[in-house]
Amino acid sequence: LAKTTQPISMDSYEGQEVNITCSHNNIATNDYITWYQQFPSQGPRFIIQGYKTKVTNEVASLFIPADRKSSTLSLPRVSLSDTAVYYCLVGDRSGGYNKLIFGAGTRLAVHP
Amino acid sequence: SAVISQKPSRDICQRGTSLTIQCQVDSQVTMMFWYRQQPGQSLTLIATANQGSEATYESGFVIDKFPISRPNLTFSTLTVSNMSPEDSSIYLCSVERLATDEQFFGPGTRLTVL
Repeated sequence: LAKTTQPISMDSYEGQEVNITCSHNNIATNDYITWYQQFPSQGPRFIIQGYKTKVTNEVASLFIPADRKSSTLSLPRVSLSDTAVYYCLVGDRSGGYNKLIFGAGTRLAVHP
Repeated sequence: SAVISQKPSRDICQRGTSLTIQCQVDSQVTMMFWYRQQPGQSLTLIATANQGSEATYESGFVIDKFPISRPNLTFSTLTVSNMSPEDSSIYLCSVERLATDEQFFGPGTRLTVL
């Protein structure tokens, strides 16, 4: 299983762009990279998923270099409501389904 | 997206007793997953439940302690047996949406064992 490493915590201010980088040196050829967001007392929520290059949706962008050994989640113009824990995951489909193994996550605190 | 509900939302239980947590999904899904999240920690996968077959447990989790049922494509239960204070945690179920690998999580069940 590919293990992920990301910063334990980050601080930002409203209106700034936040970039959270995750390393996954042992990622397998068939693995996708997925990011989840979790607010206190709630289950994680899917943010974005990608395989390579760049993916963008209405919430975030995901940048994946050619070697796929890392990825960067970019949150444009964060607000206080973006304060949450962000998890980077690499899926393992060896069992025929996507088994998510959560790492420690990054606690993002957005300040006024 | 999938709408997932869990019952109970929280409970306080005595040591040595068992609690069954229910997970209901508003659409048919193949795979359902059960996670545990201890206070301030990340999520740990307990087991994967496929309808019509025995659940697959992760290392450190056994069926005698966490029996799982998956009677149909929209429902699953997780039982926490012979509880101890170390079992105090949030238990979450999730389902996988095929073709996207996206998982949807329930709101969780907060369990406190005294």
